[in-house]
Amino acid sequence: ETGVTQTPRHLVMGMTNKKSLKCEQHLGHNAMYWYKQSAKKPLELMFVYSLEERVENNSVPSRFSPECPNSSHLFLHLHTLQPEDSALYLCASSRHSGNTIYFGEGSWLTVV
Amino acid sequence: TQLLEQSPQFLSIQEGENLTVYCNSSSVFSSLQWYRQEPGEGPVLLVTVVTGGEVKKLKRLTFQFGDARKDSSLHITAAQPGDTGLYLCAVHSGGSNYKLTFGKGTLLTVNP
Repeated sequence: ETGVTQTPRHLVMGMTNKKSLKCEQHLGHNAMYWYKQSAKKPLELMFVYSLEERVENNSVPSRFSPECPNSSHLFLHLHTLQPEDSALYLCASSRHSGNTIYFGEGSWLTVV
Repeated sequence: TQLLEQSPQFLSIQEGENLTVYCNSSSVFSSLQWYRQEPGEGPVLLVTVVTGGEVKKLKRLTFQFGDARKDSSLHITAAQPGDTGLYLCAVHSGGSNYKLTFGKGTLLTVNP
């Protein structure tokens, strides 16, 4: 238990579906992150929010849309994904930039 | 080319054996982190090395940062099945304290 909770743990969606991944941290941290982990690539940073403002957007396609309503919650809205978007999506948080980041257990996404 | 090259990519050994995995780069870093990711979980920070030539020990794990701060190694003594997992090195890059760049990792399997 790292204090970062992700739901759902597994998601299968069609290419025309709209779904969302949810992340909640109970650590009182100010920064939250979305990472993508796929089989043939290193962990890739997608988005970073600090105090609910987006501070990093790593050239991610617009079919991925993040939302940070408060410092404890982070969403990743998914729309018209491609099969190559199938991966493990990891949420993480840290107290501030440069501090230790704590990962959730991830959400396994399969796009069919 | 990847910023961080990890080797070997896969390693399968018997319980009780020793092993070393490597993280190399042509770039110089102010610090480097090692994570372990167990199956079905997110990565967990093991150690951060900061000074060139630094050696840190965590029970049976020994981490070394190269003198030039371009590379690092992780040595495990008398490996146990519980050491099984994906070992990742990571550095802050792109001038951002938020952006953590990972290597592809070494997938270690320790057989009983």
